[in-house]
Amino acid sequence: EPEVTQTPSHQVTQMGQEVILRCVPISNHLYFYWYRQILGQKVEFLVSFYNNEISEKSEIFDDQFSVERPDGSNFTLKIRSTKLEDSAMYFCASSESGIQPQHFGDGTRLSIL
Amino acid sequence: DQQVKQNSPSLSVQEGRISILNCDYTNSMFDYFLWYKKYPAEGPTFLISISSIKDKNEDGRFTVFLNKSAKHLSLHIVPSQPGDSAVYFCAASDPSNSGYALNFGKGTSLLVTP
Repeated sequence: EPEVTQTPSHQVTQMGQEVILRCVPISNHLYFYWYRQILGQKVEFLVSFYNNEISEKSEIFDDQFSVERPDGSNFTLKIRSTKLEDSAMYFCASSESGIQPQHFGDGTRLSIL
Repeated sequence: DQQVKQNSPSLSVQEGRISILNCDYTNSMFDYFLWYKKYPAEGPTFLISISSIKDKNEDGRFTVFLNKSAKHLSLHIVPSQPGDSAVYFCAASDPSNSGYALNFGKGTSLLVTP
């Protein structure tokens, strides 16, 4: 069964450094998403992406965050200058259309030191 | 702002019995609801969904019920199996948001005992 893949599984970064999290969505999916889950909290929406542009973003997704689809298969989340509070599990998801279920990857655990 | 609430952090059920997981929501604009299952160190796995035009959707051992007037949905698992032990998340989507963001509850940890 097709799946969303994310790399790396764990990223450790010094505060203030840039980090790029990578995702390969399911190949025929057109909508892409990033979510995060801080330890002990609920899964929170960050951003959705369709037709090479952001379609919705949350308050969390400030100017430090950006997303890109650099080629036909990858979807990336960049955090420009990481803060301690960015430590979380980051999940990528994709869906065929907006009203279809979103399918999630296994996440990247981001640890900011 | 908790728009999706799962008020039971945990639930323990014997194998073979019914598991009922509950979810309440506050946003009357939500019209698409999903249940996800999550094992440790894995991402959420889609289980079943329901749109607001229905009040029930069934897929094998899993049935989701939606009560729009009460803003409540539930997931029934019958019969429960030890492999069902996981954290279950309820999620909802507001169609007025063009990005189809999912709002998640905090999850209910289900333990199915042999």
